Amino acid sequence: GDSVTQMEGPVTLSEEAFLTINCTYTATGYPSLFWYVQYPGEGLQLLLKATKADDKGSNKGFEATYRKETTSFHLEKGSVQVSDSAVYFCALYEWGGGSEKLVFGKGTKLTVNP
Amino acid sequence: DVKVTQSSRYLVKRTGEKVFLECVQDMDHENMFWYRQDPGLGLRLIYFSYDVKMKEKGDIPEGYSVSREKKERFSLILESASTNQTSMYLCASSLLGGGSYNEQFFGPGTRLTVL
Repeated sequence: GDSVTQMEGPVTLSEEAFLTINCTYTATGYPSLFWYVQYPGEGLQLLLKATKADDKGSNKGFEATYRKETTSFHLEKGSVQVSDSAVYFCALYEWGGGSEKLVFGKGTKLTVNP
Repeated sequence: DVKVTQSSRYLVKRTGEKVFLECVQDMDHENMFWYRQDPGLGLRLIYFSYDVKMKEKGDIPEGYSVSREKKERFSLILESASTNQTSMYLCASSLLGGGSYNEQFFGPGTRLTVL
């Protein structure tokens, strides 16, 4: 079946540092790709998404580009803030047998220090 | 404001107890999902439902059952709780037929401890 692999955490950065969280996927076809974020004590919320190859999703200064040739969807931010401390999940959309669901990576915990 | 609510934020139960986790969404979504979240394992899908009274097994359904009697409510049932079911449980919902544009909306989670 489809799967998502994202870089192991935890990741610790200083404020204003550059962030990259790697995500690669295995899927038949070209699924839509998502990044979800989970702030401490909360559920997940959608951060950004891309639905086809070469699309760039962006939100709150975060970006990710759908790369078909490398089956990747790496998350980047040029200058992180303390408030970006959270767990980040990469996910892909899977459809089959009349049902739809998301397949998630294991999550990457980011801590940003002042 | 769209909302998915879960009946409890924290729950402590004893081994062998029957446990009910309730989830309610106010967005008229057809799809509803139950996940468990464990450190180093990410989110794993337990069960999902795409309509009232319909259910589908996810990746780890063993030891769990679900009930969907009304569109807005999806319950997760642990028939006989065990210590290895200590976890964070997350409920989510989404529109059916939204295709790959579908966003799943999550509740805040229930942290269940089984003693």
